Amino acid sequence: AQTVTQSQPEMSVQEAETVTLSCTYDTSENNYYLFWYKQPPSRQMILVIRQEAYKQQNATENRFSVNFQKAAKSFSLKISDSQLGDTAMYFCAFMKRRYNNNDMRFGAGTRLTVKP
Amino acid sequence: EAQVTQNPRYLITVTGKKLTVTCSQNMNHEYMSWYRQDPGLGLRQIYYSMNVEVTDKGDVPEGYKVSRKEKRNFPLILESPSPNQTSLYFCASSSTGGTGELFFGEGSRLTVL
Repeated sequence: AQTVTQSQPEMSVQEAETVTLSCTYDTSENNYYLFWYKQPPSRQMILVIRQEAYKQQNATENRFSVNFQKAAKSFSLKISDSQLGDTAMYFCAFMKRRYNNNDMRFGAGTRLTVKP
Repeated sequence: EAQVTQNPRYLITVTGKKLTVTCSQNMNHEYMSWYRQDPGLGLRQIYYSMNVEVTDKGDVPEGYKVSRKEKRNFPLILESPSPNQTSLYFCASSSTGGTGELFFGEGSRLTVL
């Protein structure tokens, strides 16, 4: 079974600074997707960024970018110019691509606090 | 508006009193799933469904039942709730032909006394 590990239960960063959240995963698959979801205090799960394993180029969405190291099975999230609204729980997730089954596995989460 | 709707959002109940958490999506998604979220454990899958009348167990199915009679609905049933089922529950859906992104409901906070 696939496992996802987030080794940083809590992190903090000053507003406008850059922070990196770590994620590693374990799989024998070659075709899969990786995701970062954000969960603010409202509890809503919001997709931040997605990476397809066959793409070598790291995904970027505005201030959010990933460092995808396939051989190392590492998928870190970098948040640039941190804003107070980035305060949330962040979950790393893995999805093996199988026909009709979008089974997604999550890490335990990293609670990020952005300080003014 | 594309969305996944869960009800109730909050519920306090007592041990043994059957309850159902409803989930409905309006995106015509084939795949639906239930997760529970507990501190330090992230989200763990309870049950999932790849289409109507097709359901299967996830990682933590004990004490739960589901059904998928219609494509849009995927209710979660707790026949005899126990305190260890106190948790935050999420329903999610996605298109099997798409990018794999799961769309989540707003969560249901369940407390079993």
